[in-house]
Amino acid sequence: KQEVTQIPAALSVPEGENLVLNCSFTDSAIYNLQWFRQDPGKGLTSLLLIQSSQREQTSGRLNASLDKSSGRSTLYIAASQPGDSATYLCAVKIQGGKLIFGQGTELSVKP
Amino acid sequence: DVKVTQSSRYLVKRTGEKVFLECVQDMDHENMFWYRQDPGLGLRLIYFSYDVKMKEKGDIPEGYSVSREKKERFSLILESASTNQTSMYLCASSPWSSTNEKLFFGSGTQLSVL
Repeated sequence: KQEVTQIPAALSVPEGENLVLNCSFTDSAIYNLQWFRQDPGKGLTSLLLIQSSQREQTSGRLNASLDKSSGRSTLYIAASQPGDSATYLCAVKIQGGKLIFGQGTELSVKP
Repeated sequence: DVKVTQSSRYLVKRTGEKVFLECVQDMDHENMFWYRQDPGLGLRLIYFSYDVKMKEKGDIPEGYSVSREKKERFSLILESASTNQTSMYLCASSPWSSTNEKLFFGSGTQLSVL
């Protein structure tokens, strides 16, 4: 059974710092991996999607990498800002079309 | 931009009531999903649909049913609401594509069952 883990559960950094969020999954048979952002009490916003054949995707200050063989993905945020404060979730798509979500990392960027 | 609209932001219902949660998307997406999100448990898939009048059970379908009579609308039905169904309900949609299957979420409905 596919399981997705995100460590740490919470992270606090000063503004301007570069940071890395981690996501690991137990079964490498995935179709893609997505990173989402969720603000308190709101829905999720898709940030980046990496197909299983890809190694990384970039959007602005965000860079996501995928190492399928080791079951790991990272989300790199450059020059963090207070507006980046949110919960970040990763999800893998498995056979049958389901997405399996991690529990998320709650990020706080202090001014 | 894709818009996924959930009919209610907050909802309070009584135990035993039949509850309808509505979701509409405006981008002609084939796939639609209903999740619930609970602290410590994360997002769990209730039901999903790949086409009109078609539905598939997710991981926790018990106590729920769904309806998809039109492509843009996916309804979640709580047949007889119970207190353990108090949760944040999230609807999502995505296109049927092998290369671009980003999932788009609505803002969520916080349901309280008293």
